[in-house]
Amino acid sequence: NAGVMQNPRHLVRRRGQEARLRCSPMKGHSHVYWYRQLPEEGLKFMVYLQKENIIDESGMPKERFSAEFPKEGPSILRIQQVVRGDSAAYFCASSMQGNQPQHFGDGTRLSIL
Amino acid sequence: QQQVKQSPQSLIVQKGGISIINCAYENTAFDYFPWYQQFPGKGPALLIAIRPDVSEKKEGRFTISFNKSAKQFSLHIMDSQPGDSATYFCAASMPPWNFNKFYFGSGTKLNVKP
Repeated sequence: NAGVMQNPRHLVRRRGQEARLRCSPMKGHSHVYWYRQLPEEGLKFMVYLQKENIIDESGMPKERFSAEFPKEGPSILRIQQVVRGDSAAYFCASSMQGNQPQHFGDGTRLSIL
Repeated sequence: QQQVKQSPQSLIVQKGGISIINCAYENTAFDYFPWYQQFPGKGPALLIAIRPDVSEKKEGRFTISFNKSAKQFSLHIMDSQPGDSATYFCAASMPPWNFNKFYFGSGTKLNVKP
């Protein structure tokens, strides 16, 4: 499967723990986007990264959230000290260039106990 | 604030009927309007997209109608099938971004009855 791969598909954390979400883009894609989807809502843009660079993080909460896309390996969305309100589906998308279609992964469902 | 407003929230259509989903926007700088289809447990998949230089785009049973003056666009699914049952999202993006920074509607859950 050459699509966007996200893992884990489901993640359960207790309040105060850290959550790490991984995204491997499609082969040949060097542009990665993270979105958050709350129940019964549309996707909200969080951050856009190219290899090793954060291009736009205007949708990312200022505290506790961070993202990276290292030279080698998947992109990581990290949420520190999780709270109940962080419960959501987090989707990653990738594209070959910034202005080309984005292909989405199947998401990580994060549940906070 | 919600940049793209989508309606209805849910829609039930009989097999063979026409499904119509509407979206409205305020920002006239938007210049790219895609529709995404999402099945439960899956990520959104691009269905069809339009730019404001045309008023209609058709791909198979799916048609986007675009009304620039009214700042509205809609998705029409002709001859709706049970397999079309999914959640549909409209979206919009604007220049001068060097990437498609999408603003999504809140989604329409479509149920096509056999």
